[in-house]
Amino acid sequence: ILNVEQSPQSLHVQEGDSTNFTCSFPSSNFYALHWYRWETAKSPEALFVMTLNGDEKKKGRISATLNTKEGYSYLYIKGSQPEDSATYLCAFTNDYKLSFGAGTTVTVRA
Amino acid sequence: NAGVTQTPKFQVLKTGQSMTLQCAQDMNHNSMYWYRQDPGMGLRLIYYSASEGTTDKGEVPNGYNVSRLNKREFSLRLESAAPSQTSVYFCASSEAGRDGGLANYGYTFGSGTRLTVV
Repeated sequence: ILNVEQSPQSLHVQEGDSTNFTCSFPSSNFYALHWYRWETAKSPEALFVMTLNGDEKKKGRISATLNTKEGYSYLYIKGSQPEDSATYLCAFTNDYKLSFGAGTTVTVRA
Repeated sequence: NAGVTQTPKFQVLKTGQSMTLQCAQDMNHNSMYWYRQDPGMGLRLIYYSASEGTTDKGEVPNGYNVSRLNKREFSLRLESAAPSQTSVYFCASSEAGRDGGLANYGYTFGSGTRLTVV
């Protein structure tokens, strides 16, 4: 069982504000780190697949960074909008399957 | 639409009953997975199939069996349902296979099956 931890569990953001949250994972035998976005009543959808230490990925106003040596990744949302409200999952792999964190639930208030 | 199809979407079982959750993907993906999602615990892996013809246990396999019927289909069977198996079940697939690939490919998830065991 690979321990993947996300913090905080939930956060509330005012529309227009920026926010970020953390995923920590085992730093040994690193292969890849995934981020997924999960909206209520839908299925999780892939945001990023990250493999290289220091890597930064961006998709619109959402970006992620990766530190494989210390075992953490940050996800950033710039200028939050109500449609950004979702649970964001990170997942770690060192073989053929993903181990998921419990997620950070983001609520953007208008 | 291309994707992962799960059936049924909802099911209520009595303790001791059996049932099979069906999952099919039409993306020619190599690997398929079954997860359960419980409040506060995130997605936990039940079983997975990294390639057609192979299946492996995940984190929480007890009480479940799986069959990779062909490359498209991966079913999950509860032989004797227990209240502890009340959960939302997600099937997922990936182009990644036994030769690796989760460094390049993510999962595509089905819409989930909400199972209640009374």
